[in-house]
Amino acid sequence: QSVLTQPPSASGTPGLRVTISCSGSSSNIGSNTVNWYQQLPGTAPKLLIYSSNQRPSGVPDRFSGSKSGTSASLAISGLQSEDEADYSCAAWDDSLNGWVFGGGTKLTVL
Amino acid sequence: QVQLQESGPGLVKPSETLSLTCTVSGGSVSSGSYYWSWIRQPPGKGLEWIAYMDYSGNTNHNPSLKSRVTISVDTSKNQFSLKLSSMTAADTAVYYCARTNWNAAPKIDYWGQGTLVTVSS
Repeated sequence: QSVLTQPPSASGTPGLRVTISCSGSSSNIGSNTVNWYQQLPGTAPKLLIYSSNQRPSGVPDRFSGSKSGTSASLAISGLQSEDEADYSCAAWDDSLNGWVFGGGTKLTVL
Repeated sequence: QVQLQESGPGLVKPSETLSLTCTVSGGSVSSGSYYWSWIRQPPGKGLEWIAYMDYSGNTNHNPSLKSRVTISVDTSKNQFSLKLSSMTAADTAVYYCARTNWNAAPKIDYWGQGTLVTVSS
């Protein structure tokens, strides 16, 4: 049972937009920024969004993030086949004094 | 470019202690603003934070693992290590070492490739 709640799956057709939600609590998302990770099968997570809405260099601007209260979301526009992956949210938890993660959302590009 | 590489056994027997080491290159484990963590991912499941060590040597671990966790650092080798005792099948997972960067806001910006640890007799 993950501390942050994500839908287990999402899907979309190429070219369209999909959003993935992440819900937490006051001690994590409510108090700190949210990071998003993309994980291709058999590989380590890759930082996709940090500080809730910032992209590391090299991440296409098709990927965007937002946060409101104790929830956050990742949006992917202009969906491409290579976007098919698992997406996880993460936030620092002040009560735990450590990282908490979502269970991951498997994105399928139809 | 910072790189992290895990090393350790791929198979551990139930009740034994897992020992993993993470070798860091391209950066120092003694640098300020960084925490060094262990994170795991059971097959088909989400990520779980295990423990971290900060640049001063302070540590913290996930209370869900009770007192089974020990994390340590060897600055002379630029490595940090994890020991997880009393292993059971539930500890079967891919174990990652990772860096938390506290500049501006906390983010895990670098990960090792991960190492699969299976608990089985």
